Amino acid sequence: QSALTQPPSVSGSPGQSVTVSCTGTSSDVGSYNRVSWYQQPPGTAPKLMIYEVSNRPSGVPDRFSGSKSGNTASLTISGLRAEDEADYYCSSYTTSATYVFGTGTKVTVL
Amino acid sequence: QLVESGGDLVQPGGSLRLSCAASGFTFSSYWMHWVRQVPGKGLVWVSGINGDGSITEYADSVKGRFTVSRDNARETLYVQMNSLRAEDTAVYYCGRGNYPYSVDIWGRGTMVTVSS
Repeated sequence: QSALTQPPSVSGSPGQSVTVSCTGTSSDVGSYNRVSWYQQPPGTAPKLMIYEVSNRPSGVPDRFSGSKSGNTASLTISGLRAEDEADYYCSSYTTSATYVFGTGTKVTVL
Repeated sequence: QLVESGGDLVQPGGSLRLSCAASGFTFSSYWMHWVRQVPGKGLVWVSGINGDGSITEYADSVKGRFTVSRDNARETLYVQMNSLRAEDTAVYYCGRGNYPYSVDIWGRGTMVTVSS
């Protein structure tokens, strides 16, 4: 199972919006609405930010939103803040009843 | 809360068993997962097990070498890792499956190093 494809890095100034893409195949992202997004600041464990493409767990700011079209999912961070600087990973359930993560994207707040 | 233990330095071809002690939730009600990460690299899903231990799933890279299990009475998740290879070197996280098909609670990880 190959990793989902994410851009290595994206950046934005405080207050701006950034979008991170996550491209898979018809065997994972394209098959189900079972895409999640995780935030991982340096040296810490991941934190769930989005589940089932566009749902936020309690406590996650509504600045974080998710969407999907075909084999590509996206995470958008609106009103970018310094504390949003971290690595972000997408994940998808697959038709093989396994999970696959994305390659990871470093979000930098300029 | 999840706390992993058992990480160590082991020689190629060797074995190791990792544990993950859970607390603060009804352990037997949740899928549990192992996810690994080479320092500085991305996350990789390794294995998952359902609440009563009757269903297990593995990544192709560890199938036949790793065995996931759980003891619900002890609220502990395990992974037995055999025939270890250098490419198994990573931080191993355990996580609780929740919010359909997601991991909502993560441990701090335990480091496994496979080297001679």
